Amino acid sequence: EAGVAQSPRYKIIEKRQSVAFWCNPISGHATLYWYQQILGQGPKLLIQFQNNGVVDDSQLPKDRFSAERLKGVDSTLKIQPAKLEDSAVYLCASSLVSAGVGETQYFGPGTRLLVL
Amino acid sequence: GQQLNQSPQSMFIQEGEDVSMNCTSSSIFNTWLWYKQDPGEGPVLLIALYKAGELTSNGRLTAQFGITRKDSFLNISASIPSDVGIYFCAGRMNTGFQKLVFGTGTRLLVSP
Repeated sequence: EAGVAQSPRYKIIEKRQSVAFWCNPISGHATLYWYQQILGQGPKLLIQFQNNGVVDDSQLPKDRFSAERLKGVDSTLKIQPAKLEDSAVYLCASSLVSAGVGETQYFGPGTRLLVL
Repeated sequence: GQQLNQSPQSMFIQEGEDVSMNCTSSSIFNTWLWYKQDPGEGPVLLIALYKAGELTSNGRLTAQFGITRKDSFLNISASIPSDVGIYFCAGRMNTGFQKLVFGTGTRLLVSP
């Protein structure tokens, strides 16, 4: 079974530029998550989708971050404009369901973003 | 955002030694999870705990869900070099959106 795919793996941009990350979850997984992991910290949830609807985006900085999952499968996360403090690893995860049996979240390898 | 407190922050041990790390919170959780993250990879689930007092093993790993529901610990017995990595606890509350809250991580180094 293929895992969660993410691209690009690395990205270096200058502050105020825009950047987009792509995630393809495990086939059949209804729930998709985007996390931000700053160096030395644990992942922090940015947004959770159930199929193509947003379940929780309470920690998403909506003035500069946006995410979509139009067809309920793959998803994109965008930052516009980027700030220095956005330098982090952006992890995508998916699960069969959001809670209970089948809730195990499978993580992708992440996209490492460096903002200069 | 909220993060769980993990200790120790890092450990450097000899191969064959046992390791213990724990995670505490000021909030009550109804699920505790332990993940391992290797360099350049995403976290991988090791053990999931769903009931207060539950003790669960996965090979050389053993984890317990604290009775107060505010803490959990992970033990690794007879460590081997491939145990090197960062271990994260994560908790899920039974309120709100039930999102996972991750700990600050314990970095484990094992000397052959």
